[in-house]
Amino acid sequence: TQLLEQSPQFLSIQEGENLTVYCNSSSVFSSLQWYRQEPGEGPVLLVTVVTGGEVKKLKRLTFQFGDARKDSSLHITAAQPGDTGLYLCAALLGSSNTGKLIFGQGTTLQVKP
Amino acid sequence: EPEVTQTPSHQVTQMGQEVILRCVPISNHLYFYWYRQILGQKVEFLVSFYNNEISEKSEIFDDQFSVERPDGSNFTLKIRSTKLEDSAMYFCASSYTGTYGYTFGSGTRLTVV
Repeated sequence: TQLLEQSPQFLSIQEGENLTVYCNSSSVFSSLQWYRQEPGEGPVLLVTVVTGGEVKKLKRLTFQFGDARKDSSLHITAAQPGDTGLYLCAALLGSSNTGKLIFGQGTTLQVKP
Repeated sequence: EPEVTQTPSHQVTQMGQEVILRCVPISNHLYFYWYRQILGQKVEFLVSFYNNEISEKSEIFDDQFSVERPDGSNFTLKIRSTKLEDSAMYFCASSYTGTYGYTFGSGTRLTVV
């Protein structure tokens, strides 16, 4: 069974603080994607990381793929109330040629003004 | 920005009835997917579809489920005889490559009573 574990599951912080969300597995992935999901909506793709050690930045969000391609992190700098939402990591297994994504359970982020 | 469109947004059906969930993927995408999310749980893969056939399906996708791409634009998920435990958000997704650039629809909330 391929599991993708996200931590923490819940995070409540004040506006302006920094935070990091982790996504870990014992499996090697060909790529890993981060999504944000609003209540009652579908996941919206933020970024895809492919190469071990890769770092991608999206404004105040920094995404990193582990060197061994088994883990990833999402770091938010100076969080704002608009960052509040559910963040999901999803991985594509190295053996997959069908595009099947395995999702983590998500991290619910609340940023208080 | 191209979108994946799902209809209906909500569907209530009686146990044992057939339902068809409809999706219009992004027009030049080649890979199509159905995922579901039971309330409070992870997003789960159901099925992937490429080149007019199922390329992979999960254990959830049993004989009660089927998919079709009847006319080159729509992509449907049929549940033949719904059960209470089929109640969930069902998301359609599409991708051009099967490895990058997934786009999810807003989902259909299916409630089986």
